[in-house]
Amino acid sequence: QQQVKQSPQSLIVQKGGISIINCAYENTAFDYFPWYQQFPGKGPALLIAIRPDVSEKKEGRFTISFNKSAKQFSLHIMDSQPGDSATYFCAARKETSGSRLTFGEGTQLTVNP
Amino acid sequence: DVKVTQSSRYLVKRTGEKVFLECVQDMDHENMFWYRQDPGLGLRLIYFSYDVKMKEKGDIPEGYSVSREKKERFSLILESASTNQTSMYLCASSLLRGRETQYFGPGTRLLVL
Repeated sequence: QQQVKQSPQSLIVQKGGISIINCAYENTAFDYFPWYQQFPGKGPALLIAIRPDVSEKKEGRFTISFNKSAKQFSLHIMDSQPGDSATYFCAARKETSGSRLTFGEGTQLTVNP
Repeated sequence: DVKVTQSSRYLVKRTGEKVFLECVQDMDHENMFWYRQDPGLGLRLIYFSYDVKMKEKGDIPEGYSVSREKKERFSLILESASTNQTSMYLCASSLLRGRETQYFGPGTRLLVL
């Protein structure tokens, strides 16, 4: 049972465009929603994270939008660059589960020059 | 910088072999995790540990065991490798229970023939 569902599985964007990756969750006990970025041959690394008390968090070109009522959150990459080409994972954590994360299926982003 | 290292980048084993995957972190982190990564399935948690000699099952523990004899080292054991365990295995660590950021190693790609 996938508790965090991510779409699309793959995404191709032109340089300068906006990349949007969506995630939906089922468990209302989730209280922390990070995004991880993974380059080929590397392990995932934390990119940006949000808690449900805010609806948006922005760090540079990366923005998380959070819709608590819809149980959805999304990653927006503005002015996408070829260097952003990577696999992106959303995740969620329940406060009672300590550091344990539940990950989405992943999105392979390709930004064409 | 946090460094999580995994003993092998690539491993080829035969069906029925006992396989050890080693993970070491150098930042005195309390928590350690083992995931497997498969296309379209994301990162799935196999086992995790919040302290030395402690272990907890994740979402897919069947066919695996773990060992944590020292704080910095967390081993994943495949008692009798099977072809359906061919995958990328990722180790991660985090500082304290409730501190959510996980730091990943580069992964071990295991092929079971």
